[in-house]
Amino acid sequence: ETGVTQTPRHLVMGMTNKKSLKCEQHLGHNAMYWYKQSAKKPLELMFVYSLEERVENNSVPSRFSPECPNSSHLFLHLHTLQPEDSALYLCASSQEVGLSYEQYFGPGTRLTVT
Amino acid sequence: AQTVTQSQPEMSVQEAETVTLSCTYDTSESDYYLFWYKQPPSRQMILVIRQEAYKQQNATENRFSVNFQKAAKSFSLKISDSQLGDAAMYFCAYRRWETSGSRLTFGEGTQLTVNP
Repeated sequence: ETGVTQTPRHLVMGMTNKKSLKCEQHLGHNAMYWYKQSAKKPLELMFVYSLEERVENNSVPSRFSPECPNSSHLFLHLHTLQPEDSALYLCASSQEVGLSYEQYFGPGTRLTVT
Repeated sequence: AQTVTQSQPEMSVQEAETVTLSCTYDTSESDYYLFWYKQPPSRQMILVIRQEAYKQQNATENRFSVNFQKAAKSFSLKISDSQLGDAAMYFCAYRRWETSGSRLTFGEGTQLTVNP
């Protein structure tokens, strides 16, 4: 248990569906991240929120829409996804103080797009 | 841009033996952090150990230790007295600093199998 939770753990959706992934951190951190983990590829950073403001969007398609309503919650809204979007989506949080920081990860949401 | 390379897609070790996982990275910075993360079948990413680049001493955490060679840009992980619970995917990560905060760059991972 790292203090970061994600729901749902598994999600199967059609290409025309709309769904949302939720992440919650109980660590008092001020930065949150979404990563995509596909088979045989390194983790890909998708979005970064610092103090509830989006500070990075790594050329992610608009069918992925993040939302950070407060420092403890992060959402990833999904719509009209493609089969190649099937992957494990990981949420992480950190406390951005000085140089010594660590990212704590949630258990991930396994997404399958049919 | 920083890159992280793990040249061993798979490794195996006998229980109670020692194994070393390799990682190299590329950077022009002089001050940075390096991490090893473990991802077991549960998919929960867990921090194993971290190394601060300005420290000469290699980090250790119980059975886990690193061999940090700054000039060679090498950061290997040694697992001593391997246990069945050590079986997992291991990721090396480099932490870089952006004006908006810090970012992690991950290697491709090494799948470790522990044989009883």
